[in-house]
Amino acid sequence: GDSVTQMEGPVTLSEEAFLTINCTYTATGYPSLFWYVQYPGEGLQLLLKATKADDKGSNKGFEATYRKETTSFHLEKGSVQVSDSAVYFCALRLSGGYQKVTFGTGTKLQVIP
Amino acid sequence: EADIYQTPRYLVIGTGKKITLECSQTMGHDKMYWYQQDPGMELHLIHYSYGVNSTEKGDLSSESTVSRIRTEHFPLTLESARPSHTSQYLCASSGHTGDTEAFFGQGTRLTVV
Repeated sequence: GDSVTQMEGPVTLSEEAFLTINCTYTATGYPSLFWYVQYPGEGLQLLLKATKADDKGSNKGFEATYRKETTSFHLEKGSVQVSDSAVYFCALRLSGGYQKVTFGTGTKLQVIP
Repeated sequence: EADIYQTPRYLVIGTGKKITLECSQTMGHDKMYWYQQDPGMELHLIHYSYGVNSTEKGDLSSESTVSRIRTEHFPLTLESARPSHTSQYLCASSGHTGDTEAFFGQGTRLTVV
């Protein structure tokens, strides 16, 4: 079945460090890919998305490129801030049919000053 | 800004009580979902709905039930709460096509004592 595998956490970085959170997927069709962020005590918010191969999603300094050849959608940010501390979820959604959203297990990021 | 609302945000209730968690969205989305989020952060789909009068069990077995009498409303009910039901419950909705993201409510943190 469809699945998303993302890098285990927690990830602890110093402020202004470079961030990469790895995400790979398995899907029977051509999914859209998403990164969601969850701040403490809150629901999930969409961070960025890409709907086809080679698309790059970007928002708030975060970027991820849809790589069909490696079935990956790694999240990157050049310089993290303390306010980026949160849990990040990679997800996919297939077109057609039920279109269920499949989530990865989440990666907790802690940024220290 | 997402227009999906969950109430209550926090609920502490005794064992054996009946509870209903409310979820409403004003975006006219056909598809709605309930997720249970464990302390390890992973999201588990417990119920979903394609539209009015449609409800399905999700990937994780749950003793809760749901109903979808109106497009905008997708309540979750526990007939007899137990401590094992203590968790965070997240409601979400999404549009028609696979390239659209799911929108999440802020969640209900349920504690059964």
